[in-house]
Amino acid sequence: NAGVTQTPKFQVLKTGQSMTLQCAQDMNHNSMYWYRQDPGMGLRLIYYSASEGTTDKGEVPNGYNVSRLNKREFSLRLESAAPSQTSVYFCASSEGGPEQFFGPGTRLTVL
Amino acid sequence: GENVEQHPSTLSVQEGDSAVIKCTYSDSASNYFPWYKQELGKGPQLIIDIRSNVGEKKDQRIAVTLNKTAKHFSLHITETQPEDSAVYFCAASMGISGGYNKLIFGAGTRLAVHP
Repeated sequence: NAGVTQTPKFQVLKTGQSMTLQCAQDMNHNSMYWYRQDPGMGLRLIYYSASEGTTDKGEVPNGYNVSRLNKREFSLRLESAAPSQTSVYFCASSEGGPEQFFGPGTRLTVL
Repeated sequence: GENVEQHPSTLSVQEGDSAVIKCTYSDSASNYFPWYKQELGKGPQLIIDIRSNVGEKKDQRIAVTLNKTAKHFSLHITETQPEDSAVYFCAASMGISGGYNKLIFGAGTRLAVHP
């Protein structure tokens, strides 16, 4: 089991460019989440998907869109990247209970 | 809404000493309190958790205590080793609501264990 995988590991964008961060889990979990991590601020929820076919906003959704492609995959899209979106992005999944399992992260820099 | 405060932000100990990290939460409805360890360049890894019907939980060298009245919980690491060096996050949750488990994270504690 690979658990939660994310691609890419690193990305540098210019302001205004778009990109999609990919996440997949092989644990057959129903719920998936996207967080961003900024220095001194812990992790903040961007979007979540309680089950296949549903998505909802978290604490900081502005500037992002998501797609729950199937039960395994949950992608995060930045349509027009801004320097304020420079961060480390983590995907997580959970099933049944409150325990969440995190991927290795994508470090994004927007110039 | 729920707010979680974590202290200290940095902690430096000698190998073999104990380390204690403390968190307070604001919402008395919170009932699940996990602790995550994040090593450099990796994602957070769940290391221990406690539910509100339990006051203490141990797993080898790590333990978590919960004081519901005071709304605070703590992570205790005994006999620290260099491989314990990492950033530790606490979190609080009111459990599953609408199929969504909302975790509110503390800001993190960077622990350094010196040989």
